[in-house]
Amino acid sequence: EPEVTQTPSHQVTQMGQEVILRCVPISNHLYFYWYRQILGQKVEFLVSFYNNEISEKSEIFDDQFSVERPDGSNFTLKIRSTKLEDSAMYFCASSEIRDSEAFFGQGTRLTVV
Amino acid sequence: QQPVQSPQAVILREGEDAVINCSSSKALYSVHWYRQKHGEAPIFLMILLKGGEQKGHDKISASFNEKKQQSSLYLTASQLSYSGTYFCGTESPTQGGSEKLVFGKGTKLTVNP
Repeated sequence: EPEVTQTPSHQVTQMGQEVILRCVPISNHLYFYWYRQILGQKVEFLVSFYNNEISEKSEIFDDQFSVERPDGSNFTLKIRSTKLEDSAMYFCASSEIRDSEAFFGQGTRLTVV
Repeated sequence: QQPVQSPQAVILREGEDAVINCSSSKALYSVHWYRQKHGEAPIFLMILLKGGEQKGHDKISASFNEKKQQSSLYLTASQLSYSGTYFCGTESPTQGGSEKLVFGKGTKLTVNP
């Protein structure tokens, strides 16, 4: 069964460092998303991406965040200068069309120390 | 606008039923239901798009009221595997459509033998 894959599964980084979280969405899907979940809290929307551009983003997704689809298969989230409060589980998701099921990856746990 | 979920937590014995509610102060475009087990990615359960809609399997089903402001998830004859946190994710109608799912705070369901 096709699935969304995310790497790495866990990343520890020092405050102020840049991190890149990687995702490979399901191949025929057109919509891509990043969500984050701080431990024990709800899943929060960060950004959606369609047709090679950001289609929507939340207030959390400020200038330190960026997304890219560098090669037609990967979808990356970059955090330019990490803060302690960026520590969370980051989920990538993709969907075939707008109103269809979003398939979530297993997440990358980011720990900023 | 974050949807409001209730109750916050439910503890059941195997075989008992539960209802989880999700409501919004404004009419929604759609409601998605997900279940998340601890440390895992959210798993899609179902999506409702039409007012008055009811869908799902016989044991897990959901409804969307006519005004499209309230959805309920029905878990019948619960099994141990139903344990987890249930999130509703909602889309609000915007010009051109929205691809942003805003999740509620979740309802933690525990099913005991």
